[in-house]
Amino acid sequence: EAGVTQFPSHSVIEKGQTVTLRCDPISGHDNLYWYRRVMGKEIKFLLHFVKESKQDESGMPNNRFLAERTGGTYSTLKVQPAELEDSGVYFCASSAQVNYGYTFGSGTRLTVV
Amino acid sequence: DQQVKQNSPSLSVQEGRISILNCDYTNSMFDYFLWYKKYPAEGPTFLISISSIKDKNEDGRFTVFLNKSAKHLSLHIVPSQPGDSAVYFCAASGRGGSNYKLTFGKGTLLTVNP
Repeated sequence: EAGVTQFPSHSVIEKGQTVTLRCDPISGHDNLYWYRRVMGKEIKFLLHFVKESKQDESGMPNNRFLAERTGGTYSTLKVQPAELEDSGVYFCASSAQVNYGYTFGSGTRLTVV
Repeated sequence: DQQVKQNSPSLSVQEGRISILNCDYTNSMFDYFLWYKKYPAEGPTFLISISSIKDKNEDGRFTVFLNKSAKHLSLHIVPSQPGDSAVYFCAASGRGGSNYKLTFGKGTLLTVNP
């Protein structure tokens, strides 16, 4: 079984630019989650999709962040415009059921300069 | 305000000895606790968990202890192996409808020396 795939693995962009991160969950997993770890801080919940619907986006930092999940398959997380404090590692995870037993991807390391 | 705290950023132990990683939480609504292990350039991988109705869960070399009254849990690894060297995250989830949302600590870097 293929795991959760994220790309790019690294992205370096300038402040004010736009970046789109992509996550391909494990096939058949309806639940998809985004988390973020800012340098030296804890991993924090961003949002949760069930299929194509956002169930909980309480962790999204602000309206510069937009997450989508087209057709309930892969998901994208767009940051526009990027700010320096957006730098960190963005993790995606997926699960078949709504619970904590989910599988994380390797993450996208975003650096805003 | 951090609800899950791992106060030791790092821990170094000798191969074959016991590693004890600690975690404290403040939110009494948490009722499920997990430990994740993370290698560099990889995502966190689930290691072991414990429900709030238990005080101990064991899986091979890994044992998690929960002290609800103290809002404290610990992960014991015995015997420790060099391959256990990684960052260990403590995480907690709430009851019912929010059971998917994990609250993590900052992690503890464990180094097991040969």
